[in-house]
Amino acid sequence: QVQLVQSGAEVKKPGSSVNVSCRASGGSFSTFGISWVRQAPGQGLEWLGGIIPIFGTSNYAQRFQGRVTITADESTTTAYMELSSLRSEDTAVYYCATGPPTAGYYYMDVWGQGTTVTVS
Amino acid sequence: DIQMTQSPSTLSASVGDRVTITCRASQSISSWLAWYQQKPGTAPKLLIYKASTLETGVPSRFSGSGSGTEFTLTISSLQPDDFATYHCQQYSSHSPLTFGGGTKVEI
Repeated sequence: QVQLVQSGAEVKKPGSSVNVSCRASGGSFSTFGISWVRQAPGQGLEWLGGIIPIFGTSNYAQRFQGRVTITADESTTTAYMELSSLRSEDTAVYYCATGPPTAGYYYMDVWGQGTTVTVS
Repeated sequence: DIQMTQSPSTLSASVGDRVTITCRASQSISSWLAWYQQKPGTAPKLLIYKASTLETGVPSRFSGSGSGTEFTLTISSLQPDDFATYHCQQYSSHSPLTFGGGTKVEI
C-alpha cells in the first residue's frame, strides 16, 4: 500500500511562492496519478491539479492555471506542488492524494497528512 | 467543469437514525462518483467509489446509489463514530476533478 508523507507547515508573505513536497513509499510511483487538493478553513475540498509521472504530464484546474506548477521526481518518488503569487485566500491545508494504480485521476484512497500553508 | 451540489449542508441526527445525503452533478458522470468521510484535523477517508462500491474495511451500514446526475450516500444506522463531514467527488474523464460542498452530520 502506498504511503504519502508531506513536508511541514509554511508561513508565507503575500506575493511569494510556496513549494510543498509529497514523498511516496510502497507501490509503483510512476503509474499513479497524484493529485493536490486543498481545504481552506471551514470550507470544502478543492482540486488544484495533478501529475501522472509515467507520462510526465501535469493537469491543472482552470482557476489555478498559471499559478500552480506540479512536478514529480521519479528517482526520489516525490511529487511537488508550487503555488505562486500567494494571497490570503490561499491559506489552507494542502493535501496530496492518489488512487488506483492506473494512470489517470480517479477517486483517492491514499492521502498525505496535509500541509498547512498560512499567507500573512 | 462539472459542478457538484450536495445537500443538505448540515444535518442534525441521533444515534440509530437512518441518514441520507444527496449529491447532484451538473451533467452526467455515469457512475464515476466517490464519497469521503472527514473528521476535524484529518485527511478525508474514502468510503465509496464508482457510486456504490464499498471501500475495503468500511462498515456495511454505509451504502451508495445513483447514476447519471443524482447520487445518494446512506448510513443505515448512525453510530457515534459517524459524526463527521461527508464529501462527494466526481471523476468523469470529461472534466477536472470536482467536489461537492460537503455535508456536516452533527448530533
